[in-house]
Amino acid sequence: AQKVTQAQTEISVVEKEDVTLDCVYETRDTTYYLFWYKQPPSGELVFLIRRNSFDEQNEISGRYSWNFQKSTSSFNFTITASQVVDSAVYFCALSEVSGAGSYQLTFGKGTKLSVIP
Amino acid sequence: DAGVTQSPTHLIKTRGQQVTLRCSPKSGHDTVSWYQQALGQGPQFIFQYYEEEERQRGNFPDRFSGHQFPNYSSELNVNALLLGDSALYLCASSFFLSNQPQHFGDGTRLSIL
Repeated sequence: AQKVTQAQTEISVVEKEDVTLDCVYETRDTTYYLFWYKQPPSGELVFLIRRNSFDEQNEISGRYSWNFQKSTSSFNFTITASQVVDSAVYFCALSEVSGAGSYQLTFGKGTKLSVIP
Repeated sequence: DAGVTQSPTHLIKTRGQQVTLRCSPKSGHDTVSWYQQALGQGPQFIFQYYEEEERQRGNFPDRFSGHQFPNYSSELNVNALLLGDSALYLCASSFFLSNQPQHFGDGTRLSIL
């Protein structure tokens, strides 16, 4: 069975600080996808990134960066120079790599990030 | 280009009643997945529809059923509502052949009294 653990329930940082959100996963699959989604108060889940288990390269997109370490089953997310607009609940998720379009997402419980001005 | 739209936004029901939630996928998408998100929890997969058939199902009782229409829109039905069914219900759409990330709607907030 697949499992995603986000140990940090809530994090508060002051604007412009860097913050890292942790994600640890469990799966018996040899190939899988990892995701990060952002959920603002409106409720919609906003897709941020997807990584294939074969691709362990770290990725940077503007102020966002992701560190994927297969050896420790972790896929951590760092926001550099945080802004108030980053305040949201962030979810890490895992899916098998199966037939196209047929995958289901397994989510962690989420980390609520509050950025204080 | 309309994204995923869900209706209604909010709904209040009482125990034992039945409810129907609706979802229109993003333009060009043909696959719809439903998730339940209880307060303070991550979304949990309910089921997925493609070509008007249920393709995958999560660990939810038969009280949860769905349907997909020829225009790819979908309904989620829940019978014999329980207090524990109170949650945000999220619909996600994707294109079956692309294996691209799912796009989510804003959800329907269901409250059971």
